[in-house]
Amino acid sequence: AQTVTQSQPEMSVQEAETVTLSCTYDTSESNYYLFWYKQPPSRQMILVIRQEAYKQQNATENRFSVNFQKAAKSFSLKISDSQLGDTAMYFCAFIDTGNQFYFGTGTSLTVIP
Amino acid sequence: DAGITQSPRHKVTETGTPVTLRCHQTENHRYMYWYRQDPGHGLRLIHYSYGVKDTDKGEVSDGYSVSRSKTEDFLLTLESATSSQTSVYFCAISATGVEQYFGPGTRLTVT
Repeated sequence: AQTVTQSQPEMSVQEAETVTLSCTYDTSESNYYLFWYKQPPSRQMILVIRQEAYKQQNATENRFSVNFQKAAKSFSLKISDSQLGDTAMYFCAFIDTGNQFYFGTGTSLTVIP
Repeated sequence: DAGITQSPRHKVTETGTPVTLRCHQTENHRYMYWYRQDPGHGLRLIHYSYGVKDTDKGEVSDGYSVSRSKTEDFLLTLESATSSQTSVYFCAISATGVEQYFGPGTRLTVT
């Protein structure tokens, strides 16, 4: 079975600082995709960034970047220049060739003014 | 934003009553999904559809059924609601079966 683990239930960061959220996963597949989703208090799930397992280059989207370590099955999210609007739950997610998404339990991030 | 709506947005119902939640999309995406979100569990897949009349079970499908008679609509039915089905339900859509885009969610309370 596929599993996704987020070991940090809560984190906080000062505005304008950098924070890294951790995620590990377990799979026997070689071809898969990884995602980070953001869920602000509005409850809307918003796609932040995606990474294809076959790509060695780490994905980047503006202030968001990932550190993808395939051998270690690790997929962390780095948020640079944190903003108040980054306060949200962040979910790591994994999908393989079976087309089923598996989500972690989430990390609650608070950006402190 | 992807055109996904869910109805109703909030519902309170009694144990033992049937409940149907609707997901409607305007994107003509092939794949549609139903998830439930509970504290400590993240999002868990209930059922998904890969085309009209083509559906399959997810991780937590017991007590739920789905139907998809049109590309744009995916219905989730609780045949006889139980208190353990109190949750927030999310619909998602995908064109490729990879990236998913989520609806606004439905908060269901079973008393």
